[in-house]
Amino acid sequence: DTAVSQTPKYLVTQMGNDKSIKCEQNLGHDTMYWYKQDSKKFLKIMFSYNNKELIINETVPNRFSPKSPDKAHLNLHINSLELGDSAVYFCASSQESLLHNEQFFGPGTRLTVL
Amino acid sequence: QQQVKQSPQSLIVQKGGISIINCAYENTAFDYFPWYQQFPGKGPALLIAIRPDVSEKKEGRFTISFNKSAKQFSLHIMDSQPGDSATYFCAASRWYYGGSQGNLIFGKGTKLSVKP
Repeated sequence: DTAVSQTPKYLVTQMGNDKSIKCEQNLGHDTMYWYKQDSKKFLKIMFSYNNKELIINETVPNRFSPKSPDKAHLNLHINSLELGDSAVYFCASSQESLLHNEQFFGPGTRLTVL
Repeated sequence: QQQVKQSPQSLIVQKGGISIINCAYENTAFDYFPWYQQFPGKGPALLIAIRPDVSEKKEGRFTISFNKSAKQFSLHIMDSQPGDSATYFCAASRWYYGGSQGNLIFGKGTKLSVKP
């Protein structure tokens, strides 16, 4: 029973293409996130989203857009891919609660832009 | 003010030894400090977390020490085992108030190798 799942696990594509990464959580959480982990393992928040607001990290190019068809899904769409977009992208989720603040991460999607 | 500085970048410890990883933060509004463990090819997973109302938290072989005045916290792994070899990330955030206030700010990670 995977709590946070992502597809695909690997994605290889050419510069200029448009691609999407899917994320689903079966934890009943109300907040989901996208992180980018670069080649040096640095984890950086890209978006956080719940049914109340979408928070965009101001350093994220507008070629990146999160799309949430429902509370259990937060997909990441990337337009006009660039070489610098190559990284591992992690989806995560958490429950807005005063009792705990744990984020559960998916297994990651390794994106390679050629 | 949003940075979390983590050191060392890499750490090699003999089996049975103590692994110590340090972090420092700047934003005094942070009041939640988790440590995440990441194995190769996997997503990070919460290892242990502390809030500043206590100076230390212990779970098994893992201990967080917290110094509020110095704005520093550290992870100690006692009796380190080869299975502990992973990348460890400290992080900081506001305790969850919703939206961006709950976003985790991660340190740059420490790659721990425990030699048998």
